[in-house]
Amino acid sequence: KQEVTQIPAALSVPEGENLVLNCSFTDSAIYNLQWFRQDPGKGLTSLLLIQSSQREQTSGRLNASLDKSSGRSTLYIAASQPGDSATYLCAVDQGGKLIFGQGTELSVKP
Amino acid sequence: ETGVTQSPTHLIKTRGQQVTLRCSSQSGHNTVSWYQQALGQGPQFIFQYYREEENGRGNFPPRFSGLQFPNYSSELNVNALELDDSALYLCASSTRASGVGDEQFFGPGTRLTVL
Repeated sequence: KQEVTQIPAALSVPEGENLVLNCSFTDSAIYNLQWFRQDPGKGLTSLLLIQSSQREQTSGRLNASLDKSSGRSTLYIAASQPGDSATYLCAVDQGGKLIFGQGTELSVKP
Repeated sequence: ETGVTQSPTHLIKTRGQQVTLRCSSQSGHNTVSWYQQALGQGPQFIFQYYREEENGRGNFPPRFSGLQFPNYSSELNVNALELDDSALYLCASSTRASGVGDEQFFGPGTRLTVL
């Protein structure tokens, strides 16, 4: 059974800091891995999608990596801003069914 | 904006009642999935519909059922509501391509409270 774990559960950083969010999964048989952002009480906004054959994806200040063999992904956020404050969720796709971690709650202080 | 809409935004029901939640997918997306997100947890997969047929189900009882219509709309029905059904319900649409994982686009969710 696939299990997805995100560490840390919560993170507080000063504005401008670079940071890394971690995601690990137990079963490497995945189609892709997606990183999402969720603001309180809201839906999910897709940030990056990495196909199983890819190693990384970049969008603006965000960079996500995928190491299928070790069951790990990282989301790197450069030069963090208060507007980045949200919960970040990773999810692995097993045939259209997304298995989510519990998220990392990020707070960026001005 | 993902182009995926859900209604209603909020809903309050009492235990034992039935509820229908609605989702409108992006045009051209033939797959819709439903997820339940309890407070402080990651979303849990309920089921997926592909071309109007159920195509995979998570660990949810039969009182959770769904429908998908040709006009890119879909429904999640929950019978005999229980207190633990209180959650944010999310739908996600995608264009299913065989052998390739497709990006899923989520709606804003419906917050269901069961009293």
